[in-house]
Amino acid sequence: QVQLQESGPRLLKPSETLSLTCNVSGDSIKTFYWSWIRQSPGKGLEWMGNIHYSGRTNYNSSLKSRLTLSVDTSENQFSLHLPFVTAADTAIYYCARVKTWFGESRNWFDSWGQGILVTVSS
Amino acid sequence: SYALTQPPSVSLAPGETARISCVGFNIETKDVQWYQVKPGQAPVLAIYENNNRPSGIPERFSGSSSGNTATLTISGVEAGDEADYYCQVWENISDHVVFGGGTKLTVL
Repeated sequence: QVQLQESGPRLLKPSETLSLTCNVSGDSIKTFYWSWIRQSPGKGLEWMGNIHYSGRTNYNSSLKSRLTLSVDTSENQFSLHLPFVTAADTAIYYCARVKTWFGESRNWFDSWGQGILVTVSS
Repeated sequence: SYALTQPPSVSLAPGETARISCVGFNIETKDVQWYQVKPGQAPVLAIYENNNRPSGIPERFSGSSSGNTATLTISGVEAGDEADYYCQVWENISDHVVFGGGTKLTVL
């Protein structure tokens, strides 16, 4: 049974860099694609991007200029880096496992972390 | 860009049948997933690839899709079903994952 746990700072000031890590247990990070999804207060889910341990990434075009996803296979975790945050980046950030079939992403999410609330405020 | 439209809210009494719609252009040609999101909890996959239930999801949950509308049906709703429900597809042209705006299910 895979478990995902987000970690990182919960309060940032505008223009700082948001760095979050998702620790994966119960599964090898090399077996699947992985994703970040966020939910701003009072709004719906927003897909941010997917990553494979090979380095292959797919970003939401609305964030592509700022977002970087990475994988650390030695720690079995993956990370998100989002620089120059603003209040609009205040959200619950979820990491999730992407259903992967014979090495290919099926582009849906079969396991999620509980999420971490990140607030951007001066 | 591809968009999915859901009703903001659905309210009904225990034991009734909830039908939550998700409207998107030609959605019947796409695989549709549904997620249950409760405050403070990890979201849960409720339906995948239109009408498949993951293990642990009650048989009361079912999905269907036709034309421009996908539907999540929850038969005999219980208080524990109260949550936000989101539909989701992958849009192949943009290679983007797309979520609907979410529907708040209230069990009166």
